Amino acid sequence: AQKITQTQPGMFVQEKEAVTLDCTYDTSDQSYGLFWYKQPSSGEMIFLIYQGSYDEQNATEGRYSLNFQKARKSANLVISASQLGDSAMYFCAMREGNMNRDDKIIFGKGTRLHILP
Amino acid sequence: SQTIHQWPATLVQPVGSPLSLECTVEGTSNPNLYWYRQAAGRGLQLLFYSVGIGQISSEVPQNLSASRPQDRQFILSSKKLLLSDSGFYLCAWGFRDRRNQYEQYFGPGTRLTVT
Repeated sequence: AQKITQTQPGMFVQEKEAVTLDCTYDTSDQSYGLFWYKQPSSGEMIFLIYQGSYDEQNATEGRYSLNFQKARKSANLVISASQLGDSAMYFCAMREGNMNRDDKIIFGKGTRLHILP
Repeated sequence: SQTIHQWPATLVQPVGSPLSLECTVEGTSNPNLYWYRQAAGRGLQLLFYSVGIGQISSEVPQNLSASRPQDRQFILSSKKLLLSDSGFYLCAWGFRDRRNQYEQYFGPGTRLTVT
């Protein structure tokens, strides 16, 4: 069964508008973490934001925020005031594992975001 | 600060030839290390991860193998490449920060084309 689901294969958004990229996850672990990465055309994977399952507040990093709804098992990425440089592939990912060293991260299939001038 | 290196950056290899991709990490010790593959236009597939020297866990059975001969070195290998091995290979390292939050960062990747 798919553990990370990103239902939007592609999105087109006007510059300066806010963007919400959807992500739902499936896990039976009580302790887990959720990530968002950005992959521009160059191929590098850029870490954007992290949310721990026990964090009570939504994570924020500059223009990025993570809308964490634990009961619904969703972890949507919100980009405020989008810019042309935000055009890229965005991946939602989940860290499974216990508190020891057996950490690994599973990725969704990604959403390609196009920012229109 | 920590840095992760991968080489080569690009590679074109014929079917049936061997493969060796190297990943090294600087500025940290005893990291968790990972190999991912990304097929063109698709998401990341976890191939192998390692929590220490000589400790390798395989996520997907295939003709690839991984080794960790040193603490900060992770190698992806194949004895005979297949056309389906083409893709973008990313090495990553992970750690828990002071708040015990897990973070993972990626290397620049190796683009492999099997012809």
